[in-house]
Amino acid sequence: GAGVSQSPSNKVTEKGKDVELRCDPISGHTALYWYRQSLGQGLEFLIYFQGNSAPDKSGLPSDRFSAERTGGSVSTLTIQRTQQEDSAVYLCASSSPGTGVYEQYFGPGTRLTVT
Amino acid sequence: GDSVTQMEGPVTLSEEAFLTINCTYTATGYPSLFWYVQYPGEGLQLLLKATKADDKGSNKGFEATYRKETTSFHLEKGSVQVSDSAVYFCALTTYNQGGKLIFGQGTELSVKP
Repeated sequence: GAGVSQSPSNKVTEKGKDVELRCDPISGHTALYWYRQSLGQGLEFLIYFQGNSAPDKSGLPSDRFSAERTGGSVSTLTIQRTQQEDSAVYLCASSSPGTGVYEQYFGPGTRLTVT
Repeated sequence: GDSVTQMEGPVTLSEEAFLTINCTYTATGYPSLFWYVQYPGEGLQLLLKATKADDKGSNKGFEATYRKETTSFHLEKGSVQVSDSAVYFCALTTYNQGGKLIFGQGTELSVKP
């Protein structure tokens, strides 16, 4: 079946603008994760969804970042008033807790550049 | 908090050389351990995993053994190929983390013919 998909693959935006990044998880996967990959910080966890609820938002770097998930499927990560330090690759992953080992499958990422 | 430390890269090897990438961890619970690989221009892929002490994960000629006594999960391959050139990430998750992965900083491997 299809893997995790993300859109857009690349996004260039001006400082101060809002952006929305989309993630379509593998069908049937109840858990969804957002991570950020940047040169200075490596791979950082942002937020975790189980179904439509987000029990762990501890990685969101500021209140400019928010995310939602609807229908237990698609998720959107929104960054308001973007800053240059938000430039990074945003990765989405999904998993099925039924495996017992939280094996996560990653999408190709969205490369965000804030100019 | 929980953390993962990997040996720094980049690592440059000749084809058919032996590879070791060191990984150690700190965890308050009993973690599951993973190695992920990122080939140039591609997304993260799970390479191998281990869920309990003394488990050995293996895939594509790579191996790693979960060593609880030394809190380590070193990645090894007996004979690397040019196609193994990639960035390798060690990671852990624990049940009380909800499955979120905590990654090491990544080790870039370059294999020369």
